[in-house]
Amino acid sequence: DVKVTQSSRYLVKRTGEKVFLECVQDMDHENMFWYRQDPGLGLRLIYFSYDVKMKEKGDIPEGYSVSREKKERFSLILESASTNQTSMYLCASSPRGGKNEKLFFGSGTQLSVL
Amino acid sequence: QKEVEQNSGPLSVPEGAIASLNCTYSDRGSQSFFWYRQYSGKSPELIMSIYSNGDKEDGRFTAQLNKASQYVSLLIRDSQPSDSATYLCAVTPSGAGSYQLTFGKGTKLSVIP
Repeated sequence: DVKVTQSSRYLVKRTGEKVFLECVQDMDHENMFWYRQDPGLGLRLIYFSYDVKMKEKGDIPEGYSVSREKKERFSLILESASTNQTSMYLCASSPRGGKNEKLFFGSGTQLSVL
Repeated sequence: QKEVEQNSGPLSVPEGAIASLNCTYSDRGSQSFFWYRQYSGKSPELIMSIYSNGDKEDGRFTAQLNKASQYVSLLIRDSQPSDSATYLCAVTPSGAGSYQLTFGKGTKLSVIP
């Protein structure tokens, strides 16, 4: 089974802190994604990566950056956390080629910024 | 902005009934359509995909696609309490790359025993 592992299930940070959310997948998938999910707003794509060291902005990249130094690992960085970044963060991966849109999601990180 | 619209619900159906979930999308060039199920406190999981007009059946689930009307639906026959979840419609937009999906906000389904 594909496994997408997010490093923390719950995280509490202070405004202004630099926050790292880590995601690791074990199925050699080329594509990796970071979403945030908020009540009433649904799933929104922050960033995605289709290869090592490659990244593309999604719909809401402001205030975030990403890093993909290794194929299996995709990190989301909040440079200076703000209260409006309190949210559930979901990492996902998918294979390249064919109907590759099947996303495998991690269990999520609930981030609270105080 | 390419949009995917769903009724937020909640949609309540009695056990054993047919649940009908609907989704419309704005990008006429969209080619791939998906239904994800998300239980409370859990991550989304793919339950159906459909790529061409018509119906696609998988067990108790049927996905229906009408590209001319820009409409996709999910029917759940013989609904069970275990089907109670939020159902997310997702669409692959046209244009460069199929790397990203656009998700609707989801419809919450409650199946009443």
